[in-house]
Amino acid sequence: DSGVTQTPKHLITATGQRVTLRCSPRSGDLSVYWYQQSLDQGLQFLIQYYNGEERAKGNILERFSAQQFPDLHSELNLSSLELGDSALYFCASSVGGRTDTQYFGPGTRLTVL
Amino acid sequence: LAKTTQPISMDSYEGQEVNITCSHNNIATNDYITWYQQFPSQGPRFIIQGYKTKVTNEVASLFIPADRKSSTLSLPRVSLSDTAVYYCLVGDMNTGFQKLVFGTGTRLLVSP
Repeated sequence: DSGVTQTPKHLITATGQRVTLRCSPRSGDLSVYWYQQSLDQGLQFLIQYYNGEERAKGNILERFSAQQFPDLHSELNLSSLELGDSALYFCASSVGGRTDTQYFGPGTRLTVL
Repeated sequence: LAKTTQPISMDSYEGQEVNITCSHNNIATNDYITWYQQFPSQGPRFIIQGYKTKVTNEVASLFIPADRKSSTLSLPRVSLSDTAVYYCLVGDMNTGFQKLVFGTGTRLLVSP
């Protein structure tokens, strides 16, 4: 158990819908990262927040957005969902942001029908 | 960020030592090397990290030659539970906020 929690564990929805994935970092960690893992794309970095502020952006689509709240939990919002958005979405956290080890949560499996 | 190249898959038997080599020819002075392990449908798990020479922890050893253009993850006496995908990543210490770039990884299969 990494100490990072993600909800829900599974999510099934239809194309065009909007969903919110939630992540709670390890106690004391200030950085939260979001990753997408699909069969054809592998593990892709989406975005990082540090203490409430966006710090790094990866291959995140404009239909996706994220935020980190004052209590440091984070939410990833996915809208206008497409079949290709079906994937495992992982959240990771670290104490800071430099060379600190990232601890990954168990992931949310999103299925878009 | 430096690109990494690893073998797609490796096979081994229980009790053997496994060495997985990663190439990172364009590694920069400020880059460090990290290895993660991932089981199916689980998040990646940190194994080991190093900058140069050799690093050892309770799980693995990491060998980095002087030119740092490659690194080797060594898993001593593997067991069936070591069957997983292993990712080599190179990260910049100077960016302030790291962005991990995962490659395709090496799929290790350990057989009895």
